[in-house]
Amino acid sequence: DAKTTQPNSMESNEEEPVHLPCNHSTISGTDYIHWYRQLPSQGPEYVIHGLTSNVNNRMASLAIAEDRKSSTLILHRATLRDAAVYYCILRAQDDKIIFGKGTRLHILP
Amino acid sequence: EAGVTQFPSHSVIEKGQTVTLRCDPISGHDNLYWYRRVMGKEIKFLLHFVKESKQDESGMPNNRFLAERTGGTYSTLKVQPAELEDSGVYFCASSQDLINTGELFFGEGSRLTVL
Repeated sequence: DAKTTQPNSMESNEEEPVHLPCNHSTISGTDYIHWYRQLPSQGPEYVIHGLTSNVNNRMASLAIAEDRKSSTLILHRATLRDAAVYYCILRAQDDKIIFGKGTRLHILP
Repeated sequence: EAGVTQFPSHSVIEKGQTVTLRCDPISGHDNLYWYRRVMGKEIKFLLHFVKESKQDESGMPNNRFLAERTGGTYSTLKVQPAELEDSGVYFCASSQDLINTGELFFGEGSRLTVL
């Protein structure tokens, strides 16, 4: 399985944007970049995914480097509810989701 | 539309006993996955069903774990006999299409405590 590297933890102030980085230098051409998050006492939750182009949805934006060796999950305006562990995952087509350690995001009121 | 539901939410059993966890995926989702998180560890993949067939069971820890999905609807994960190291949270997920969005929908999890 291709590996990703994320910071163990990050802090951000409420109502400010958050940029969560992810390095994946061994990504292959067919790997999708997925982001999931896990809020306390809940199951993981899909956030966003992309292949090559930047992606936006109601939850977040995903910025993918031109060489695809890194990506950034952007929460445009963090709320206390966004405090969670965020997982950056490489997923080949027809393959399973493999979770790493993720980044624990703390939101300061 | 109902999400992925898991039962029970919490089970406490003694070592050597049997426990069966159930997962009801979102209606129409052919893909069903089991994962678990043992205390302090990462979420680990256990297995993947496509309809009633086991597509990938490479993450099943040993033969004390048996997963079934008769009829391609709900799935059960039985642990028999349970050991202390089986304690953790077991998550089920379902998805409609591997190729398209690839989004997995997870349940809230079943917490298993083995004493």
